[in-house]
Amino acid sequence: ETGVTQSPTHLIKTRGQQVTLRCSSQSGHNTVSWYQQALGQGPQFIFQYYREEENGRGNFPPRFSGLQFPNYSSELNVNALELDDSALYLCASSHAKGPNTEAFFGQGTRLTVV
Amino acid sequence: GQQLNQSPQSMFIQEGEDVSMNCTSSSIFNTWLWYKQDPGEGPVLLIALYKAGELTSNGRLTAQFGITRKDSFLNISASIPSDVGIYFCAGVNAGNNRKLIWGLGTSLAVNP
Repeated sequence: ETGVTQSPTHLIKTRGQQVTLRCSSQSGHNTVSWYQQALGQGPQFIFQYYREEENGRGNFPPRFSGLQFPNYSSELNVNALELDDSALYLCASSHAKGPNTEAFFGQGTRLTVV
Repeated sequence: GQQLNQSPQSMFIQEGEDVSMNCTSSSIFNTWLWYKQDPGEGPVLLIALYKAGELTSNGRLTAQFGITRKDSFLNISASIPSDVGIYFCAGVNAGNNRKLIWGLGTSLAVNP
C-alpha cells in the first residue's frame, strides 16, 4: 500500500452536476498531483498543489479546480460535468523538495457521467 | 497533452519468457519512473531511475536510464502470470513542476 487514499472509489453523476473527489496524501509528503485517465490511455496531468497553492496546471478548463489543506490532503472539484469527464481520477503524493521525485498513487476514483 | 513514445503497445507471451519494453522522448528527463497498473487500480511504482546510464533492479525487473536521458527500458525476466497488467513509463523534468509525463502503456498478457 502507498498510504495514499482516495474517496469515493466509484461515483455516478449526471451531466451538468458538480463533483468533489478527495485524496489523503502519504505521511511526510507535501505535494499532491491530480491526473485524469481515460480508458486505454495514460494518465493526463490536471494540476499540482504544493503547500496549499496551485503549482502547475495541465490543459484542463477552469471548471476543474482544486484545494489543498494544511494537512496536505486535497480535493478535486469538477463543475458542469460533461460525458467526456468519465474517467479514472488519480491522486499522487510526493515530496517536492526531496531528492527523489517518486510519486505514489492512490487507487483512484472511477467517475461515470451519464 | 505531451506523451512519451512507449513500445510495444501490447505483448502476449508464454510464462517463463523474458519481456522488454521501452520509452523514448524528444525531451530530456531528470528522472524516469516505471509503473504497473492493474485494471481499476492506481499505478504502482516499480522502479525509479535518477541518473543517466543508471541500471536498477527490483527482483525480476531491471530498468535502465538511457545515456542520452531521452529513453529508458524495462526488462522482466522469467515472466509469471501475475505480471499481467499495463506497464507505464513516466518522465519527470525538474523544471516542469515535477509533473509526470506518461507513455501510453504496454499491455502484457502471460499465457500460463
